[in-house]
Amino acid sequence: QSVLTQPPSVSGAPGQRVTISCTGSSSNIGAGYDVHWYQQLPGTAPKLLIYGNSNRPSGVPDRFSGSKSGTSASLAITGLQAEDEADYYCQSYDSSLSGSVFGGGTQLTVL
Amino acid sequence: QVQLVQSGAEVKKPGASVKVSCKASGYTFTGYYMHWVRQAPGQGLEWMGWINPNSGGTNYAQKFQGRVTMTRDTSISTAYMELSRLRSDDTAVYYCARDGQYYYGSEYNWFDPWGQGTLVTVSS
Repeated sequence: QSVLTQPPSVSGAPGQRVTISCTGSSSNIGAGYDVHWYQQLPGTAPKLLIYGNSNRPSGVPDRFSGSKSGTSASLAITGLQAEDEADYYCQSYDSSLSGSVFGGGTQLTVL
Repeated sequence: QVQLVQSGAEVKKPGASVKVSCKASGYTFTGYYMHWVRQAPGQGLEWMGWINPNSGGTNYAQKFQGRVTMTRDTSISTAYMELSRLRSDDTAVYYCARDGQYYYGSEYNWFDPWGQGTLVTVSS
């Protein structure tokens, strides 16, 4: 049971738009702490996708975008491509645990 | 380019300790905190803590306090994570990951880049 809750899986056809939610509480996202997102391709290390809620590192396509509102955050992927098939994780800080926490991860399938 | 290269896979018996290394290159090692994150087979990511390579200061996740020790050797730009009293549920891939902020590292920040991971298997 992760502190941040993500849907176990989402799917979409090539070219479509999908969103992945990350739901927290008043001790993490709701307290104003930033949310970051990572992409983990099969058998590889996680890669930073979004930092500070909505910022893209250089090299990350603008098809990926992040947002935050209240106790939740979302990752949106537009123009789905086969190469986007991966696991996605959100991350934030939790004041009750006094540490960084991750969501349980969402597996994206491109149909 | 910024790169983190970790040591190879380990097999340990329950009750033993393991020490994983993470060699940094391509940036000023002492300028960025180093975090450690683990991932059990088929599971999600779990933050273990960080070390400030400049001061040697550390901050460990509550779950690992008393069992984890993070150190560094600035002369060879290498960070280490040692986990003691290993149990079967410590079987996981252990990653080092650089903090995203220069100088102002913390558990609030993002992690980029990550090492390739080190598989630690605990089995009798």
